[in-house]
Amino acid sequence: QSALTQPASVSGSPGQSITISCTGTSSDIGGYNFVSWYQQHPGKAPKLMIYDVSNRPSGVSNRFSGSKSGYTASLTISGLQAEDEADYYCSSYASGSTVIFGGGTKLTVL
Amino acid sequence: EVQLLESGGDLVQPGGSLRLSCAASGFTFSRSSMAWVRQAPGRGLEWVSTIRADGVTTHYADSVKGRFTISRDNSKNTLYLQMDSLGGEDTAEYYCAKAQGVIDPFDYWGQGTLVTVSS
Repeated sequence: QSALTQPASVSGSPGQSITISCTGTSSDIGGYNFVSWYQQHPGKAPKLMIYDVSNRPSGVSNRFSGSKSGYTASLTISGLQAEDEADYYCSSYASGSTVIFGGGTKLTVL
Repeated sequence: EVQLLESGGDLVQPGGSLRLSCAASGFTFSRSSMAWVRQAPGRGLEWVSTIRADGVTTHYADSVKGRFTISRDNSKNTLYLQMDSLGGEDTAEYYCAKAQGVIDPFDYWGQGTLVTVSS
């Protein structure tokens, strides 16, 4: 159960758009449409931002969107705001009824 | 309002045991799968285990299988994690989470309880 692969860091200026990638295998991302994304601010619990590849929970801004192609899922944040600065984690349902997380990406808003 | 309150985190010696609890409120606990997710200091999230609503079907990460046991008491709206044969690699903040689906995703999280394994 190796972690999904995410870039360690990404950055962008306010108002810009950024995309965070998350790469897995045929046993997780490539095999199921059960990719989720979580936002975590320092010292806080994670918050679900996207589930089932591209669905937003109630209350999550429509500036957040998700997609998937093959073994890679992506989270796009448009109209970057200072409050978006946080760590972001992808996760996927995986074969054997398990869940696997990515290593996390630190988003810096310049 | 959904609330998840973990307790039981402590300093424990290598090879020791510990039981975590998570008191849930604000939703129908008996109909929801529940999970434990941990985060080592300065590291990423790691799924530990999920237990389905029936309390019978459980799922574990390979890293804890055979050492950790997840359970629940639907009459008390409480989730548990029994941790045995603890090692330094188990040092982490342990989060209780409500699963939106059968196994994931996790739509509500507690604030976490810290487990430190050290002599």
